[in-house]
Amino acid sequence: DAMVIQNPRYQVTQFGKPVTLSCSQTLNHNVMYWYQQKSSQAPKLLFHYYDKDFNNEADTPDNFQSRRPNTSFCFLDIRSPGLGDAAMYLCATSSPLGAADTQYFGPGTRLTVL
Amino acid sequence: RKEVEQDPGPFNVPEGATVAFNCTYSNSASQSFFWYRQDCRKEPKLLMSVYSSGNEDGRFTAQLNRASQYISLLIRDSKLSDSATYLCVVNHPGGYNKLIFGAGTRLAVHP
Repeated sequence: DAMVIQNPRYQVTQFGKPVTLSCSQTLNHNVMYWYQQKSSQAPKLLFHYYDKDFNNEADTPDNFQSRRPNTSFCFLDIRSPGLGDAAMYLCATSSPLGAADTQYFGPGTRLTVL
Repeated sequence: RKEVEQDPGPFNVPEGATVAFNCTYSNSASQSFFWYRQDCRKEPKLLMSVYSSGNEDGRFTAQLNRASQYISLLIRDSKLSDSATYLCVVNHPGGYNKLIFGAGTRLAVHP
């Protein structure tokens, strides 16, 4: 089935140790998003790619970077994780050719920072 | 003021109850509206889109009031499996598919 896949599902890292989260999709969607969601809070958009065009949200810390080597894959790099970066990281996709504004989410990666 | 505001709940209701959630949004230029459901420690999943005329999907009814910038979700005949957090979601007008999520309203249905 076409889907959005995130790896790993659970990631434990140490304070300051770089970590990379992975997202892949078989939907062939142009747009890929990364969200951060902390407990009992709304998902917060960090950035998105429209094809190869990268769009950073104004309040996304520099500590967060992203790469999209091809249509199917997108990575979230956290250069120096702090305790406050512990959260669920959600990848989503959408297509401007499909149902307007509908986003399809992956299962998320839960990040723990020790 | 938050762009999308919801009552956080929790709403604790017995099976079979009718429950209503409300949501307000701040950007009058928003054009697309949704309710997403999120189970504990899982990803959000689209429950239904919300149309100006109101729409129904089985036990779920969504309403939109553009003048008041208000969205509602009504769940009839609640089931235990309806227990989840319901996220009100609004598009951010601006040329691409950017969504603004509310923090969600938690529903707990008990026997």
